[in-house]
Amino acid sequence: DAGITQSPRHKVTETGTPVTLRCHQTENHRYMYWYRQDPGHGLRLIHYSYGVKDTDKGEVSDGYSVSRSKTEDFLLTLESATSSQTSVYFCAIQQGNSGNTIYFGEGSWLTVV
Amino acid sequence: AQKITQTQPGMFVQEKEAVTLDCTYDTSDPSYGLFWYKQPSSGEMIFLIYQGSYDQQNATEGRYSLNFQKARKSANLVISASQLGDSAMYFCAMRGRGSTLGRLYFGRGTQLTVWP
Repeated sequence: DAGITQSPRHKVTETGTPVTLRCHQTENHRYMYWYRQDPGHGLRLIHYSYGVKDTDKGEVSDGYSVSRSKTEDFLLTLESATSSQTSVYFCAIQQGNSGNTIYFGEGSWLTVV
Repeated sequence: AQKITQTQPGMFVQEKEAVTLDCTYDTSDPSYGLFWYKQPSSGEMIFLIYQGSYDQQNATEGRYSLNFQKARKSANLVISASQLGDSAMYFCAMRGRGSTLGRLYFGRGTQLTVWP
C-alpha cells in the first residue's frame, strides 16, 4: 500500500460538463502521474508532476489539465468531457528519486454519456 | 522513442506449472528500467518486479523472476508454481530517464489464465 487514494472511484457524467479527478497521497512523494487505460492498450501518460506547481504534458494530454497546489494532491480536470474520454484513470507515484518503484492507485472509472 | 512489445495476447498454464510471459523493448537510452505489473479483474495495477539496465543479476521477487537479456532487448516475466490467483492481465513497462524518470511506456498486455 503506497498510500494513494483516488476519488471518485466511479463517475458517470454528461458530454460537455467539467470533471475533476483527485489523487491524494500520504507519503510526501515528489513525483505524481496521471494515466488512462483503454481497451486493447496499456496505460498512456496524460500529465505528470515533479513538484508543487511543476507539471508537464504526457503523450495524450489534449483535453486535460492538471494542478498541484500541495504535495499530497494532484488533480486531473477534463474541462469539457467528451465520449472519447470515457476511460479508466490511474494515478501513480514514484517512490524516491531512482525511478525504480512506481505504484498505482486503484483507478477511477469515468463514463461520459 | 521507447517501445514495448508483448506478442502474446493470451496464455494458458496449468496450476503449479511455470509460465513465461514475453516482453521485448526498444530504446536508444543507455540507462533504462523495466517493470512488470499485474492487473486482476478487479482493475488495480499491482507492481510485481523491476529490472534496471545496469543490474548484473536478474531480478527476483518470490515466485516472480525477470529473465533479462540485454543484447536481445527482452525482459520476460517468469512465474513459477502458478496459482489460480495468478490469473490476470500482465503488463510490461519501461521507464524514461532524467526529469521523466517515472514516466512509463506500456505494452498492450498478456492475459494469463491458470487452470486447475
